[in-house]
Amino acid sequence: DAGVIQSPRHEVTEMGQEVTLRCKPISGHNSLFWYRQTMMRGLELLIYFNNNVPIDDSGMPEDRFSAKMPNASFSTLKIQPSEPRDSAVYFCASSRPLRGAGEQYFGPGTRLTVT
Amino acid sequence: GESVGLHLPTLSVQEGDNSIINCAYSNSASDYFIWYKQESGKGPQFIIDIRSNMDKRQGQRVTVLLNKTVKHLSLQIAATQPGDSAVYFCAENRYSGGGADGLTFGKGTHLIIQP
Repeated sequence: DAGVIQSPRHEVTEMGQEVTLRCKPISGHNSLFWYRQTMMRGLELLIYFNNNVPIDDSGMPEDRFSAKMPNASFSTLKIQPSEPRDSAVYFCASSRPLRGAGEQYFGPGTRLTVT
Repeated sequence: GESVGLHLPTLSVQEGDNSIINCAYSNSASDYFIWYKQESGKGPQFIIDIRSNMDKRQGQRVTVLLNKTVKHLSLQIAATQPGDSAVYFCAENRYSGGGADGLTFGKGTHLIIQP
């Protein structure tokens, strides 16, 4: 099992640029989650999907953030335009909903730096 | 809003000793609690979970205790090893049974194992 795959692992961009983060969940998992981690705010849920359908996007900070899941094996998180305060580690996680809602498997994260 | 929080940001214990990490939660609707371990540069890793109809659950060297009366959760690690050094997060979830929900994480406790 390859685990959750995220790309890129590191991203450095200038303020105002568009950033796209990518995630491939574990095969067979029906739920996908995007989290953001910062020193100040800890781990925060941004959005999650069940069976490719967005369920709760109340954690998305602003309209600059958008997420898609066009199929069961791929999701993107886009920030446009990016700002320095978006600098954080972004994690993608996946789970099998019938196995227990908490047993989410996290990817290695994408460290985003916006200058 | 309601949140999950931790009492101690850093805990230092001697190798071989037992450690206890505490967590307070405030959302009385939470019915599922999870502990995650995060090593430097990695995503959170599931350790153990417990449902609100239980007050104790044991795993390999770990035990989670839940006290719903005072809304308190703890993680006990027996015979700590150097590999236990990490940040530990408690998280809560409202398990719907029909699909996964996003997690609300506490701010984390940094466990340091002294040789």
